Amino acid sequence: RKEVEQDPGPFNVPEGATVAFNCTYSNSASQSFFWYRQDCRKEPKLLMSVYSSGNEDGRFTAQLNRASQYISLLIRDSKLSDSATYLCVVRSSASKIIFGSGTRLSIRP
Amino acid sequence: EAGVTQFPSHSVIEKGQTVTLRCDPISGHDNLYWYRRVMGKEIKFLLHFVKESKQDESGMPNNRFLAERTGGTYSTLKVQPAELEDSGVYFCASSPRGLAGYEQYFGPGTRLTVT
Repeated sequence: RKEVEQDPGPFNVPEGATVAFNCTYSNSASQSFFWYRQDCRKEPKLLMSVYSSGNEDGRFTAQLNRASQYISLLIRDSKLSDSATYLCVVRSSASKIIFGSGTRLSIRP
Repeated sequence: EAGVTQFPSHSVIEKGQTVTLRCDPISGHDNLYWYRRVMGKEIKFLLHFVKESKQDESGMPNNRFLAERTGGTYSTLKVQPAELEDSGVYFCASSPRGLAGYEQYFGPGTRLTVT
């Protein structure tokens, strides 16, 4: 079993739709959680950190459930520019950082 | 402010040859990480420097890989001799010290192809 598992995707949704991604992690000692976005043939870029209380940044909402070891990302009113691969990233120490394999999102007009 | 830079952007070498990848982190960032993504797989951690010291190199695949960060500024990752399975994209990331260091800034990556 992978340490960080994500929805396999790809997700293909119309512009304006709401889409949700899930991620589970196996190490209960994990400390920090992030969502990164990666465009085709580009480097990953931090989308948002995920806090225990949940956090929102514009159209993006991230949730963390430590008891279930589950992280989610919700994108509302999706735009064409949201098309990318979304990576769930879990840190359990200063060095140990685990990436999920990513979920591909494609927004259609 | 300049971001993380990596050189070269692409490298094509033959099996058995040596390749050295370079990463220049954001100025002032103490933490420097190397990652690798092989075809169809997730990004995997290779190692972590804090300044010039190796904090964790548990992700290095084998002793054909050698990373250095002399002077605590830029870092190099040498693969010698290269094997076919070393092909992939090698990313470098940096972050400042302390709690702010939890957010990493990635370079554009070096795409390595071993033929």
